[in-house]
Amino acid sequence: AQSVAQPEDQVNVAEGNPLTVKCTYSVSGNPYLFWYVQYPNRGLQFLLKYITGDNLVKGSYGFEAEFNKSQTSFHLKKPSALVSDSALYFCAVSSRPGRRALTFGSGTRLQVQP
Amino acid sequence: DARVTQTPRHKVTEMGQEVTMRCQPILGHNTVFWYRQTMMQGLELLAYFRNRAPLDDSGMPKDRFSAEMPDATLATLKIQPSEPRDSAVYFCASGLVVLSDGSYEQYFGPGTRLTVT
Repeated sequence: AQSVAQPEDQVNVAEGNPLTVKCTYSVSGNPYLFWYVQYPNRGLQFLLKYITGDNLVKGSYGFEAEFNKSQTSFHLKKPSALVSDSALYFCAVSSRPGRRALTFGSGTRLQVQP
Repeated sequence: DARVTQTPRHKVTEMGQEVTMRCQPILGHNTVFWYRQTMMQGLELLAYFRNRAPLDDSGMPKDRFSAEMPDATLATLKIQPSEPRDSAVYFCASGLVVLSDGSYEQYFGPGTRLTVT
């Protein structure tokens, strides 16, 4: 079985401050990890993924995520938040993305205040 | 800029009516997914196809839902009969799966917002 936990329903941060959106996962074998963002009335958009290699993954719009195998975490980060980053963020995992669909977390709403 | 398209974008129907949602995946993608999103349940996988063959539809209520891919450019999700609890946003996503390294990304359509009264 595979699962994802996003422990925070909402994260509030002031514009210009660093942000972190948390994600922990459970999977048998090596994890393939993804972050997606959803803006209002839109579908999900791919942000970044971890397959193998460097634990720090860089993605779109200045976002990055750090894979931590010992803590089974894949937190999303950005050094300086923008108001336009306000959206719903989903973490997803699969043990075998070619053969098994992604399991998505419940989502975390990021609110960046001006 | 290749995109997944979905029609209709909005659908309001009465309980008991048949609803058909359509999806055009990105050309060349070999995997198509159907998801349902609600406030209570979040994002749920309903079914997915690889090379037009259903791989997993365990998330779909079989008695009223059906999903098909009549050809590589069209995926359909049908609800018959519809019920108020089916009200949700239904997303289609497509991706190109490369089994040699297992990596892929899903590209989501804009969704169909279904309201069943």
